[in-house]
Amino acid sequence: NAGVTQTPKFRVLKTGQSMTLLCAQDMNHEYMYWYRQDPGMGLRLIHYSVGEGTTAKGEVPDGYNVSRLKKQNFLLGLESAAPSQTSVYFCASTFQGAHEQFFGPGTRLTVL
Amino acid sequence: KQEVTQIPAALSVPEGENLVLNCSFTDSAIYNLQWFRQDPGKGLTSLLLIQSSQREQTSGRLNASLDKSSGRSTLYIAASQPGDSATYLCAVRQETSGSRLTFGEGTQLTVNP
Repeated sequence: NAGVTQTPKFRVLKTGQSMTLLCAQDMNHEYMYWYRQDPGMGLRLIHYSVGEGTTAKGEVPDGYNVSRLKKQNFLLGLESAAPSQTSVYFCASTFQGAHEQFFGPGTRLTVL
Repeated sequence: KQEVTQIPAALSVPEGENLVLNCSFTDSAIYNLQWFRQDPGKGLTSLLLIQSSQREQTSGRLNASLDKSSGRSTLYIAASQPGDSATYLCAVRQETSGSRLTFGEGTQLTVNP
């Protein structure tokens, strides 16, 4: 099993550009999450999904959109990137709430 | 709102020492608590998961305890090695949060040879 994978690993954007981050898991997990990690702020939840076709807002959802069209994939979109979105983005998944969460390797995004 | 605090923020110890990392949380209505390890520039690796009904979990040289009523967890690392150098994060899942985790900011551990 590959576990949780993220694409791309690194990206540099200019302010106003758009992009989509892809998260894929091959563990048949129901729940998937997008977090961002910033120095001094820790990891904060952006959006999450408890099943195919469902999404919900987390702690810091503004400026991001998500979609879960397939159970194994969770996409995070930035429609108009801002420098404040410079961060490391992590995707995670879990079978159900009582189980441990597994994390992907992260995407390092810089917005100039 | 749940808040998770980890003390100390950084710790440097000589190889072979036993050590304890601390995690505290403000809302005791948690479902479980998870300890992670993060190496520089890498993702998070799950170390131990403790359900709210459990008191401790062990994996190799690691032992995690949970005192839900007092809002505390500790991660004990026995006979530390240079390869244990990393940032250790704890995270709690609330009973009513849709399984999302609230993270502490981590303890950066350095084990010196």
